[in-house]
Amino acid sequence: QVHLVQSASEVKKPGASVKVSCKTSGYTFNDYSLHWVRQAPGQGLEWIGWINPSSGDTNYAHNFQGRVTLTRDTSISTVYMAVTRLRSDDTAIYYCARPHGDMWTLYFDSWGQGTQLTV
Amino acid sequence: SHVVTQSPSVSVAPGQTARIPCGGVHLGSKRVHWYQKKPGQAPVLVVYDNIDRPSGIPERFSGSFSGNTATLTINRAEAGDEADYYCQVWDGSSDRVFFGGGTKLTVL
Repeated sequence: QVHLVQSASEVKKPGASVKVSCKTSGYTFNDYSLHWVRQAPGQGLEWIGWINPSSGDTNYAHNFQGRVTLTRDTSISTVYMAVTRLRSDDTAIYYCARPHGDMWTLYFDSWGQGTQLTV
Repeated sequence: SHVVTQSPSVSVAPGQTARIPCGGVHLGSKRVHWYQKKPGQAPVLVVYDNIDRPSGIPERFSGSFSGNTATLTINRAEAGDEADYYCQVWDGSSDRVFFGGGTKLTVL
């Protein structure tokens, strides 16, 4: 059974940085990319980007390029999302999600519990 | 750009049918997926690949697709179905994911 367990809530000041973790289990870590999605208060779901745990390759939404960095530690099946130069509008719940798909489709069938970030 | 649009809200009486549309210029070439999002909970996949339903999701939930519009249909709506519903697509050329703005379903 797939489990994605995220790190605890964070409170940061504007301009600071934060690093959120997502520890995975129940499947082969290198076989699936890991995505991050956030939801700000009163707002919708917003896709942030993904990391390929096997290669370390990443891809980010335009809004997050330059301020978000995704990394991984294959020894502990964990991915990390670092956000720099935090702003008040980064206040949101951040989710990691494992996708299912092929060359024609991609959707998320497993989600972490969410990490509340307050700036 | 792959803008995906949803109506902000839909209301339905208990026991009736709710239809939640999702549109986009490029939607006809994509597969659409639907999530149910309740406060304090992670999103739950309720329909994938336009029409398929994950195991454990009630048959009351179904998806359809016509032209550039996908629709999530909830039959015999219940109070427990009140939630925000999001459609999602994946653009293979950029390998990026796009969510619709979400639709708040009210069962009253």
